Amino acid sequence: SQQGEEDPQALSIQEGENATMNCSYKTSINNLQWYRQNSGRGLVHLILIRSNEREKHSGRLRVTLDTSKKSSSLLITASRAADTASYFCATEKVGAQKLVFGQGTRLTINP
Amino acid sequence: GAGVSQSPSNKVTEKGKDVELRCDPISGHTALYWYRQSLGQGLEFLIYFQGNSAPDKSGLPSDRFSAERTGGSVSTLTIQRTQQEDSAVYLCASSLDSRRESNQPQHFGDGTRLSIL
Repeated sequence: SQQGEEDPQALSIQEGENATMNCSYKTSINNLQWYRQNSGRGLVHLILIRSNEREKHSGRLRVTLDTSKKSSSLLITASRAADTASYFCATEKVGAQKLVFGQGTRLTINP
Repeated sequence: GAGVSQSPSNKVTEKGKDVELRCDPISGHTALYWYRQSLGQGLEFLIYFQGNSAPDKSGLPSDRFSAERTGGSVSTLTIQRTQQEDSAVYLCASSLDSRRESNQPQHFGDGTRLSIL
């Protein structure tokens, strides 16, 4: 079963704008990870944030984690057409190695 | 390449046949995972290997599904007597041993797209 819920399910913005996606989860976690999936391909790991971290940056990506609200957000700044993809959050629960995925956000960047 | 390799990339078979899917993880990665991605269910965990043993098989949907790993490397996922609801993309991932050093990202292959006619 899916632990995470993501919103929005779909997001369409103009190139150059910022895109924000949100993820909520239900149980205690070791970490939360964000992945990107282009159509017909596997998942590409973007960023991992540990349960004791609140914010992490990687290039144009910014991830926040609020363990009290059991939620995370992914911000992509200055979006590009190549950012068009589906984005998934995934949690690694305490005591487990497997990932539990959200349903994903389909992001479309319009040129 | 140095990534996770899965074969075949596509498989079409008739209902009732057995299928075998293969995953070759990144060299040195002791942890290996199988997931399934389908339209109705999203991304679901199937099984996790640490070396050749499978401490978590909780996601296997029925006894028609089995997996093994030999030599701490290649893994095969076998589905017996396939049903139409088995149609999905089967994804494999590998990582360093997260029991020894936690918070390891998982690296995914491109998956096998399985279609049951």
